[in-house]
Amino acid sequence: GEDVEQSLFLSVREGDSSVINCTYTDSSSTYLYWYKQEPGAGLQLLTYIFSNMDMKQDQRLTVLLNKKDKHLSLRIADTQTGDSAIYFCAEFGGKLIFGQGTELSVKP
Amino acid sequence: DVKVTQSSRYLVKRTGEKVFLECVQDMDHENMFWYRQDPGLGLRLIYFSYDVKMKEKGDIPEGYSVSREKKERFSLILESASTNQTSMYLCASSLSRGGGYTFGSGTRLTVV
Repeated sequence: GEDVEQSLFLSVREGDSSVINCTYTDSSSTYLYWYKQEPGAGLQLLTYIFSNMDMKQDQRLTVLLNKKDKHLSLRIADTQTGDSAIYFCAEFGGKLIFGQGTELSVKP
Repeated sequence: DVKVTQSSRYLVKRTGEKVFLECVQDMDHENMFWYRQDPGLGLRLIYFSYDVKMKEKGDIPEGYSVSREKKERFSLILESASTNQTSMYLCASSLSRGGGYTFGSGTRLTVV
């Protein structure tokens, strides 16, 4: 069945790069998404990638897609304390399926 | 700025009460969704609607119903609240059937 897996926690130092990983199971997914949830708020769409792409860059964000291994990653360069949040990976193959979310903690 | 507005940020209800969670969007979106968010489980889809008066069950519809009488409003109803429905409820809308959703800020419901 459909399943999206993420590790639950990641801690980095300010200025370092963060890499958040995700695996998914539905090979027919057409889009893959990264959402960000700040404390007390709803989810905000960060970026997305089409399934026929293998990389997308948007300022400090780089998304890598390995379709063969069904692996998606989000790299945040020069991580700041304002990047502390929960990051959700989601796949869309007819409906949007979310992972459990990775809580990113950025230490000064 | 486009918005999805959930009427309450926090709600406390008693077991057995009928609970209404309201969601309104101002973007003329066709599609609306209700999710619940629980730690370690991510977001799980309760119900969704691709058109006015239309509703579809998501992955965990038991104990819930929905109403969509107008395009901009999608209500989630807990017919008889139970403690295992204590959760964060998130409403979302989208223009297309892809995954670019706009979310509300959420309603944290506690059932005692």
